[in-house]
Amino acid sequence: GAVVSQHPSRVICKSGTSVKIECRSLDFQATTMFWYRQFPKKSLMLMATSNEGSKATYEQGVEKDKFLINHASLTLSTLTVTSAHPEDSSFYICSARTGGNIQYFGAGTRLSVL
Amino acid sequence: DQQVKQNSPSLSVQEGRISILNCDYTNSMFDYFLWYKKYPAEGPTFLISISSIKDKNEDGRFTVFLNKSAKHLSLHIVPSQPGDSAVYFCAAISSAGGTSYGKLTFGQGTILTVHP
Repeated sequence: GAVVSQHPSRVICKSGTSVKIECRSLDFQATTMFWYRQFPKKSLMLMATSNEGSKATYEQGVEKDKFLINHASLTLSTLTVTSAHPEDSSFYICSARTGGNIQYFGAGTRLSVL
Repeated sequence: DQQVKQNSPSLSVQEGRISILNCDYTNSMFDYFLWYKKYPAEGPTFLISISSIKDKNEDGRFTVFLNKSAKHLSLHIVPSQPGDSAVYFCAAISSAGGTSYGKLTFGQGTILTVHP
């Protein structure tokens, strides 16, 4: 299957700082990428759809000023958690679609905000 | 509003036997279904999918069955191996246009444990 790389795999930061997570499609171009969040022992919750060259589409209840998404190229989308707080601690996962219905996922980023 | 449900939080199976994971959905607009396998602290790995125009899709040890009238799908793993132990998520997608286009809706997941 297609390869999606996510970096970093783990980040620990102080409350109030911003954290950037990168998602790259390594062997294909992705006009659309997705960002998910997973709470402990819960399912994956879609946060936003990242569209190359245009604004991201956020799901209901997700603060767009809190979670900034940039999709500047066909192989890279970034999620920036601004002014992170302990409640933002979670597992963040990105995915990309090759053109069909199948989404391929990155390995995820464990964010811990102290 | 849980549109995709996996009612069994966990399943335990003996090595070599069949594992059957179930998934129900409520949204009749879903027309494509996927199964993912996930280990802790990793992203989901795509396993197998099925379009709503089919009722069965097979790939090696994995077979997915779709019953549209019952809005039910299942994943069969035969024979089960200890390395199959993981969390399995079913997901559904609507290919139609509109705000839900292209979005995956996940079930809650089922923890599969295959004992040697």
